[in-house]
Amino acid sequence: DIQMTQSPSAMSASIGDRVTITCRASQGVSSDLAWFQQKPGKVPKCLIYSISKLHSGVPSRFSGSGSGTEFTLTISSLQPEDFATYYCLQHHSHSWTFGQGTKVDIK
Amino acid sequence: QVQLQESGPGLVRPSETLSLTCTVSGASISSTRYYWGWIRQSPGKGLDWIGTIYDSGSIYQNPSLRSRVILSLDTSKNHFSLELSSVTAADTAVYYCASQSWNWGESYWGQGALVTVSS
Repeated sequence: DIQMTQSPSAMSASIGDRVTITCRASQGVSSDLAWFQQKPGKVPKCLIYSISKLHSGVPSRFSGSGSGTEFTLTISSLQPEDFATYYCLQHHSHSWTFGQGTKVDIK
Repeated sequence: QVQLQESGPGLVRPSETLSLTCTVSGASISSTRYYWGWIRQSPGKGLDWIGTIYDSGSIYQNPSLRSRVILSLDTSKNHFSLELSSVTAADTAVYYCASQSWNWGESYWGQGALVTVSS
């Protein structure tokens, strides 16, 4: 099974900050990597798929990058509506694994 | 727009079987365009993949749950289902049904169903 190690588990940031979240896979996952955002009490929402492709309607301040086993979600300028928990997900070989999550809150 | 809605008992007794159904509108579950699956989230915890049914009919499940999980499609009712047997308190969670297009360009989730395991 592929394990996903996400870091940090939590972080505090200010409006306008650049935020970077990392996921490391225990083995290569090709481009089968997505990022989800979940706000308290809400349904998770897919922001990015195939490492770097933004879903329709997702603001361009969100971006994804990486390859092989190391992947990054970047928020270029944090906005009030971005305070949430973020999860990476690998779905390589039809077996999925979520990262542990990164909670982004207000500094 | 694809819409998903979970339904089923909100309370299940220990050792019994949890059964949930996800009713789909806006797409046919017979379509090869989408995958159909289940994810759960224990209170205060992260997301945990349960399993997915692919367009080929192949079913893949979380290895940690495989021996207790049955996933199925009912094309006549346009819904898909989850059965989780021999439940314990550790299976208390919000259960989400979800669908992704074959290239992941579309992603749809139900609102989630809280299932509590308790006597």
